[in-house]
Amino acid sequence: AQTVTQSQPEMSVQEAETVTLSCTYDTSESDYYLFWYKQPPSRQMILVIRQEAYKQQNATENRFSVNFQKAAKSFSLKISDSQLGDAAMYFCAYRSVDTGTASKLTFGTGTRLQVTL
Amino acid sequence: NAGVMQNPRHLVRRRGQEARLRCSPMKGHSHVYWYRQLPEEGLKFMVYLQKENIIDESGMPKERFSAEFPKEGPSILRIQQVVRGDSAAYFCASSPQGAYTEAFFGQGTRLTVV
Repeated sequence: AQTVTQSQPEMSVQEAETVTLSCTYDTSESDYYLFWYKQPPSRQMILVIRQEAYKQQNATENRFSVNFQKAAKSFSLKISDSQLGDAAMYFCAYRSVDTGTASKLTFGTGTRLQVTL
Repeated sequence: NAGVMQNPRHLVRRRGQEARLRCSPMKGHSHVYWYRQLPEEGLKFMVYLQKENIIDESGMPKERFSAEFPKEGPSILRIQQVVRGDSAAYFCASSPQGAYTEAFFGQGTRLTVV
């Protein structure tokens, strides 16, 4: 079974600065998807960024980018030019590429990000 | 195109009562996933359904919990004889097919058992 580990329960960043959230995972599969989700106080789960394991290029979405190290099974999220609206819980998640029983997402325990003035 | 709709947003039940949580997937989506989030924890997979079929229920507790996704109408997660430990946020997600690249989440139902 796959596992996802987020070792930073809380992080803090000043507005306009850069912060990196860590995520490691364990799998025996060679192809899979990795995701970062944001959960603000409203509880809505919002997809931030997605990475296909077969793609060597790191995904980027505006101020959000990832550092995907497949051999190390590491998938960190970098937030540049942090804004107050970035304050939320961030969850790393894994999904197999197979359909059927592997369609579920496996989540880490989350990192709570605080953004200060 | 409305997103994934869950209702109610908040549900309070006394111990021993039944809780029914509803999820209407996005238009055109026929795959539904239920997740449970305990306080200060990540989301844990419960069950994956297609219309009229349970595909994967490996995350469902063996007793008191059931789920359905009928041909017509929303998906229902039913918890019978609720206990305090069932208090959690329950999230539904939907996708157009099993091999998706993004599942869209509802806002969740927060169940409180008193």
